[in-house]
Order: sequence, then structure tokens, then C-alpha cells
Amino acid sequence: AQTVTQSQPEMSVQEAETVTLSCTYDTSESDYYLFWYKQPPSRQMILVIRQEAYKQQNATENRFSVNFQKAAKSFSLKISDSQLGDAAMYFCAYAYYNNNDMRFGAGTRLTVKP
Amino acid sequence: EAGVAQSPRYKIIEKRQSVAFWCNPISGHATLYWYQQILGQGPKLLIQFQNNGVVDDSQLPKDRFSAERLKGVDSTLKIQPAKLEDSAVYLCASSSTTGSGSSYNEQFFGPGTRLTVL
Repeated sequence: AQTVTQSQPEMSVQEAETVTLSCTYDTSESDYYLFWYKQPPSRQMILVIRQEAYKQQNATENRFSVNFQKAAKSFSLKISDSQLGDAAMYFCAYAYYNNNDMRFGAGTRLTVKP
Repeated sequence: EAGVAQSPRYKIIEKRQSVAFWCNPISGHATLYWYQQILGQGPKLLIQFQNNGVVDDSQLPKDRFSAERLKGVDSTLKIQPAKLEDSAVYLCASSSTTGSGSSYNEQFFGPGTRLTVL
């Protein structure tokens, strides 16, 4: 079964600094997607960034980038120039290529200090 | 474009009572998902619909949970009778269809319903 592990329950970063959130996963599949979702106190899950496993190039979205290490089954999120609005729960997630049964990690709570 | 709508936002009930949650997906989205998110955990998929048919309900506790999407649009998730361990946020999400091959269709989430069972 696919599992997603986030080993950092909480992280803190100074405003304008850079922070990296860690995620590892376990799967026997070769074709899949990985995601980072942001969940603010409003509870609405917002997709931050997505990585297709067949792509070697790491995905980037403005201040957000990932370090995808397929052999190591590692998928970390780097947030550059952190802003107060980045404070939220961040969930790493895995989905098989047909998008069924998305599996989420337990989440990392990110605090941004002014 | 309107997002995924859910109601109610909050619900408090006594154990052994019944409760129902409603979800209206984004217009035109064929696939609808219900997730359970227990405090301190990530969301867990309960059931997935493709139009009005069930694609996956392997993690739905069928002795007390039921869900329907009769006309392939909005959906209702019911718990009867509720237990203390059902206290959680219930998230609904929708996507235009399930992905196939290298195609991916983003899941859009609603604001969730926070259920407290006393």
C-alpha cells in the first residue's frame, strides 16, 4: 500500500527566509503524481505544486519549488522568501496516475515569524 | 467560476444520532470525492463517484456511512448512527474526470464540514 510520511509536525521560518518541508513516500508503482497542498485555518485545501513521476525536472511555481528524488522516494518542498500568508498546514500527497485514492501525509504546520 | 460548496460548515450531535452533509461540486465536474480528516491527520478518501456511479468506496465504513450522488451532480454523505470517533472534518472535492495515462485532473476542495460528536 502507498504511504506518505511527513516527519516534521511543525516548522518555523522567519519572514523573507527560506524553509524546506520534507516528505517521503512508499510505492511500487512507477507512474504517479506527487503534490503539496496548503490548508489554512479556513480548512480549504489549496494545491501548491504538483510533480509527475515520469518528469526528471523539478516542478516550480513562483516561490515554491520541489526536490524530487525518485529513487530515494523523497519529495521536499522549498518555500523561498517566506511571507506571513504562507503560514498554514502543508500536506504532501501521492496519487496513482489515474488519480484514484489520493494518499496524504499527516501534515506539517508552518509558522512564519515577522 | 464557483468553487465546491459544502453545508453545513459546522455540526454538533450526540453519539448515536444521525447526520448528513451536502456537497455541490464545480459545474461540469464528473468526479466527486468525500474525504474524512481527523484532527492531526491528513485527509483520507472515503468514497469516489464518477458521475452517479461509485468508483471506490473501499475505505467507507459501510455499517454506518452511506453516500449517494443520484443525478450525478450534488452528493450527500450520511452517518447513522454516529460514534465519538467520527468527529472530524469532512471534505468534498471534485475534478473534471479521473486522470488517465499521463493526464491529470486537479481536485478542487470545498471548505469542509466540521463534525463534533459528543
